[in-house]
Amino acid sequence: DIVMTQTPLSSPVTLGQPASISCTSSQSLAHSNGDTYLSWLQQRPGQPPRVLIYKISNRFSGVPDRFSGSGAGTDFTLKISRVEAEDVGVYYCMQTTHFPYTFGQGTKLEIK
Amino acid sequence: EVQLVQSGAEVKKPGESLKISCKGSGYSFTSDWIGWVRQLPGKGLEWMGHIYTGDSSTRYSPSFQGQVTISADKSISTAYVQWDSLKASDTAMYYCARLRNCGRDCYFDFWGQGTLVTVSS
Repeated sequence: DIVMTQTPLSSPVTLGQPASISCTSSQSLAHSNGDTYLSWLQQRPGQPPRVLIYKISNRFSGVPDRFSGSGAGTDFTLKISRVEAEDVGVYYCMQTTHFPYTFGQGTKLEIK
Repeated sequence: EVQLVQSGAEVKKPGESLKISCKGSGYSFTSDWIGWVRQLPGKGLEWMGHIYTGDSSTRYSPSFQGQVTISADKSISTAYVQWDSLKASDTAMYYCARLRNCGRDCYFDFWGQGTLVTVSS
């Protein structure tokens, strides 16, 4: 199975400041078709997950542009340019290139 | 508007069977995959498997193969996951989610609200 490792596991951030979460996969997530199926999800407290970013850097409809994704191969990053109070929650990376699909262990974003 | 609405919370005893559901609306139900994701209490997300609702083709995570059965009834736009004999370790929140355009985009774009399953004697 592909192991997805996120760092940090906890990120206290000041409102208005940037935040960054890294996700490293144990194997390349590049599919044979040339695409890379790495997505980022946010889970607010008591809520189901929702997708923020798919295929590394594509923002899902309605997601604020302060969220951005980058990376390639085995190393990926989610950045929040200016953290807002509503961004509190747990963030997961997920790969859907290889079976079985796997998630990172989650990064808890909290406000300082 | 795409919506996935899951069945309500369940409390069961070990050894009992259970089938929970996920009803899709607002899109062509038979054109996509529906996946199931487990979240143990206070823990992260685990992909269990998914089903192509057009022809009921399924794919399971090895961790869940033989432990659950994923099915769908396209006539009522509903996907299911079932257990034949629950264990206390099945206590978790279960989410369904639409797997969008695998082969092009391949991500879970819409999620159900979750079904909490509690297994306790």
